[in-house]
Amino acid sequence: QKEVEQNSGPLSVPEGAIASLNCTYSDRGSQSFFWYRQYSGKSPELIMFIYSNGDKEDGRFTAQLNKASQYVSLLIRDSQPSDSATYLCAVKYTGKLIFGQGTTLQVKP
Amino acid sequence: DAGVIQSPRHEVTEMGQEVTLRCKPISGHNSLFWYRQTMMRGLELLIYFNNNVPIDDSGMPEDRFSAKMPNASFSTLKIQPSEPRDSAVYFCASSLRDGEKLFFGSGTQLSVL
Repeated sequence: QKEVEQNSGPLSVPEGAIASLNCTYSDRGSQSFFWYRQYSGKSPELIMFIYSNGDKEDGRFTAQLNKASQYVSLLIRDSQPSDSATYLCAVKYTGKLIFGQGTTLQVKP
Repeated sequence: DAGVIQSPRHEVTEMGQEVTLRCKPISGHNSLFWYRQTMMRGLELLIYFNNNVPIDDSGMPEDRFSAKMPNASFSTLKIQPSEPRDSAVYFCASSLRDGEKLFFGSGTQLSVL
């Protein structure tokens, strides 16, 4: 059974701080990794994807991948109250995306 | 583009009734996925199609669940008979390539009483 593990949280950070969200996966052969954001009562939306070891930056978001440690993370700089949501880590296994349980982020003004 | 369209948005039914959920993927997308989301189990993949062909249905919980994709622009997920434990949000998603950059519909909130 392929697994994607996340701490459910909630993770609480003050406005303007860096939020760090983490994810581990079980299949060493995985090649594609995704972060989705889901606001309460809404559907998941893709915010970042990463395929290679290292960092990938997009605005205030940075995705980090370490395949040797089977670890993916998402950093959100200058966190805003509008970033409060559940963040889902997803890993591609043989044509399908397997999601973690998600980490709930609360950004307090 | 209108995005992935699901219907109905909400469905309330009684145990034992048949439920049919519908999905229209984004035009040009080759892959379609049905997920179920609950607080306890998170987002679970039920089945996915490539080019209208079912590829992996290992997530379908039991024979009461069935899914079809008769053409590139329409898919259904059917539960017959429904049970209270089927209550969840059911999402349909589509992508250009299998398992890459999924776009989700608004979901169907199913309540089985």
